Amino acid sequence: RKEVEQDPGPFNVPEGATVAFNCTYSNSASQSFFWYRQDCRKEPKLLMSVYSSGNEDGRFTAQLNRASQYISLLIRDSKLSDSATYLCVVPPNPPNSGYALNFGKGTSLLVTP
Amino acid sequence: EAQVTQNPRYLITVTGKKLTVTCSQNMNHEYMSWYRQDPGLGLRQIYYSMNVEVTDKGDVPEGYKVSRKEKRNFPLILESPSPNQTSLYFCASSLSGSEQYFGPGTRLTVT
Repeated sequence: RKEVEQDPGPFNVPEGATVAFNCTYSNSASQSFFWYRQDCRKEPKLLMSVYSSGNEDGRFTAQLNRASQYISLLIRDSKLSDSATYLCVVPPNPPNSGYALNFGKGTSLLVTP
Repeated sequence: EAQVTQNPRYLITVTGKKLTVTCSQNMNHEYMSWYRQDPGLGLRQIYYSMNVEVTDKGDVPEGYKVSRKEKRNFPLILESPSPNQTSLYFCASSLSGSEQYFGPGTRLTVT
């Protein structure tokens, strides 16, 4: 099983829709998780951190399910500007294992008018 | 403004011609990393550094060198570039090793 797996999509949704992505991880000892957003040909930027059961920031909600080893990202009221690739990231555990963040390959979202 | 800078942003070179991609951060971060991103393969770590003079290999270090003589700089060196090193390269820095801040990327083409 790969360390971090994501559905690559693409997810095509209309403006205003609610969309959710899942990300599964293999290391049951992982304590923290991140969602990054990457626009085409640009650098990844941190979107949300998830340290416990979940986190909410405006239209974005990240949830963690430790029993099933997945995290999800929910986007409500999608905007055209939400179109991007969303990367699920799991830091190494123990944390000094080279600091090689385990990146998923990303889920592509396209919000259409 | 807190940032990670990389230079050059775009580079086309020929096989075997040594090149260096510079990376600098102004956030006083201890940890710095280099990644390459290729279609279908996602982001893969090349090298990382936990502090000055401390560097180690990531997942795909072959064909690359790094140095960390100062805290703010972490250059990536390709001694003899080959076409399979054509890629999009990102430098990143981090205070704790988890939340990383990425530079704008360097698009390298080796012919």
